[in-house]
Amino acid sequence: EIVLTQSPATLSLSPGERATLSCRASQSVSSYLAWYQQKPGQTPRLLIYDASIRATGIPARFSGSGSGTDFTLTISSLEPEDFAVYYCQQRNDWPLTFGGGTKVEIK
Amino acid sequence: EMQVVDSGGGLVQAGGSLRLSCAASGFLFSSYAMSWVRQAPGKGLEWVSTVSGNGGGAFYADSVKGRFTISRDNSKNTVDLHINSLRVDDTAVYYCAKMVGFRCFDDWGQGTLVTVSS
Repeated sequence: EIVLTQSPATLSLSPGERATLSCRASQSVSSYLAWYQQKPGQTPRLLIYDASIRATGIPARFSGSGSGTDFTLTISSLEPEDFAVYYCQQRNDWPLTFGGGTKVEIK
Repeated sequence: EMQVVDSGGGLVQAGGSLRLSCAASGFLFSSYAMSWVRQAPGKGLEWVSTVSGNGGGAFYADSVKGRFTISRDNSKNTVDLHINSLRVDDTAVYYCAKMVGFRCFDDWGQGTLVTVSS
């Protein structure tokens, strides 16, 4: 099973700041990595797939990069609605796995 | 508009069974793999199972293999998850989700809560 490790567990930032979230895979997942946002009490929302492709309707301030084992989700300038938990997910191999999540909270 | 609506959760005793259902609309259902993903209270996301678009392929997490069965009816645009031998650690919100290829989950149901009591 491919283990995804997200860091940091919590990121405390202010609106307008840049957020950089990391996801590291225990073995290569090529570019088959996705990112999701989940707000309290809400359904997860797909942000990025195939490491760097923004899903439909996702603002340009969200960007993804990386390949192999190291991936990054960047939010260029945090908006109030961006404070949430973010998960990465790989599909390079079964079982599909998610990372443990990074919570982006207001500083 | 694409829509995924899941249902069927409830309170069940350990060892019991349950059937979760998912109804989809707004897209060519048979062209997409469908999955179930769960989230235990206060925890992260865990993939549970996926069925291919034509229903010919099914995949399961090790934690549910042999106890859960996924199926789909493309004439009704529905996906079911039959859950047997429920355990307390199966307690979670279960989400039905449409997949992009087998790559990621782009449309999610609102979730249905399964609570397993001892």
